[in-house]
Amino acid sequence: DQQVKQNSPSLSVQEGRISILNCDYTNSMFDYFLWYKKYPAEGPTFLISISSIKDKNEDGRFTVFLNKSAKHLSLHIVPSQPGDSAVYFCAVRIYNQGGKLIFGQGTELSVKP
Amino acid sequence: DAMVIQNPRYQVTQFGKPVTLSCSQTLNHNVMYWYQQKSSQAPKLLFHYYDKDFNNEADTPDNFQSRRPNTSFCFLDIRSPGLGDAAMYLCATHAATGELFFGEGSRLTVL
Repeated sequence: DQQVKQNSPSLSVQEGRISILNCDYTNSMFDYFLWYKKYPAEGPTFLISISSIKDKNEDGRFTVFLNKSAKHLSLHIVPSQPGDSAVYFCAVRIYNQGGKLIFGQGTELSVKP
Repeated sequence: DAMVIQNPRYQVTQFGKPVTLSCSQTLNHNVMYWYQQKSSQAPKLLFHYYDKDFNNEADTPDNFQSRRPNTSFCFLDIRSPGLGDAAMYLCATHAATGELFFGEGSRLTVL
């Protein structure tokens, strides 16, 4: 049973527009939420995170929103750039389980010039 | 400078021939993880170490073993690789802030 779902395997956006990547989770015991970015043939790199006590965290062009009642997480990239083209994974941490993360399946973002 | 280093980046082995993948870190983090990622799938946790304490995920096959001789190094041993074990293997360390730092991965091909 998938506890973390990214329902869109791919997303295509025009350069300069907003990219919105979505993630849904099932377990209210998750206490920390993260987004990772992955280029082909490389390991995932940390992008941005949010604690369960917040509903928004912003870092430059990247903003993560957390809607706890809906168990929904989203990543907004604005403005999108061609260099943002990559696979984006959301990940969640279970409270009190030693930092173990559970990942979604990923969404491949393509930003077209 | 890379903080989590995995070797080799690419490994080709024959069916049933043991393989060892290595991971080293310069971050001095207590916790190290090994994930398996197959194409278009989420990274799947195999096991992790908290210092020398080994924690195996319940569904990790017995074919997969790990060693952590010191804080800096961690090894993944696949005793008898099968075709289904072909994947990217990711090592990560855990920061106190909550995020994981990943290495670049080791891609395993089984012939």
